[in-house]
Amino acid sequence: GAVVSQHPSWVICKSGTSVKIECRSLDFQATTMFWYRQFPKQSLMLMATSNEGSKATYEQGVEKDKFLINHASLTLSTLTVTSAHPEDSSFYICSARGVAGELFFGEGSRLTVL
Amino acid sequence: DAKTTQPPSMDCAEGRAANLPCNHSTISGNEYVYWYRQIHSQGPQYIIHGLKNNETNEMASLIITEDRKSSTLILPHATLRDTAVYYCIVRARGLAGTASKLTFGTGTRLQVTL
Repeated sequence: GAVVSQHPSWVICKSGTSVKIECRSLDFQATTMFWYRQFPKQSLMLMATSNEGSKATYEQGVEKDKFLINHASLTLSTLTVTSAHPEDSSFYICSARGVAGELFFGEGSRLTVL
Repeated sequence: DAKTTQPPSMDCAEGRAANLPCNHSTISGNEYVYWYRQIHSQGPQYIIHGLKNNETNEMASLIITEDRKSSTLILPHATLRDTAVYYCIVRARGLAGTASKLTFGTGTRLQVTL
């Protein structure tokens, strides 16, 4: 099946720094990728839809200037958490659409902001 | 996307069939039923999807009622590795080349026991 890879799988950073998370579709091209955030014992919450070659579409309540999304190629989307604070600590997950329409998910990236 | 209702948790003995119900009474004609599962600290894994006919693959079977207002995911012989949160999602398939987003509910936490 289709494979979506995220990197890094976990990251610890100091408050105020920026962190970049990569999402790659390894064996297929994805014109659309989605970024989710998941807090402990909660469900996945969609943050934004990333479209190749155009600006991302953000869900209500998600700050676009804080969570920068770039989808520069058909196999790579990046999420940058700018000026991270402890409340941004979470599990960030991306997904990409497969050729038959189903969405495949990455392994997730756990961010801890000290 | 239509809302879904799932029991918050279920237990199943290893080797027995796990039957996970999902209500989606407001599903519309162009919406599919998707099932994903999330093992702790991993990204969601696609299981199966269907429109109105029952579906079966190597992982599970999906039974959709004739009125499409509910469905059941069946894991025929549950193992300890099937312990996870199972999400039932209804979603329009999207046109070719597009991808409609997945909206996650709270899911069912399935605990498989010895």
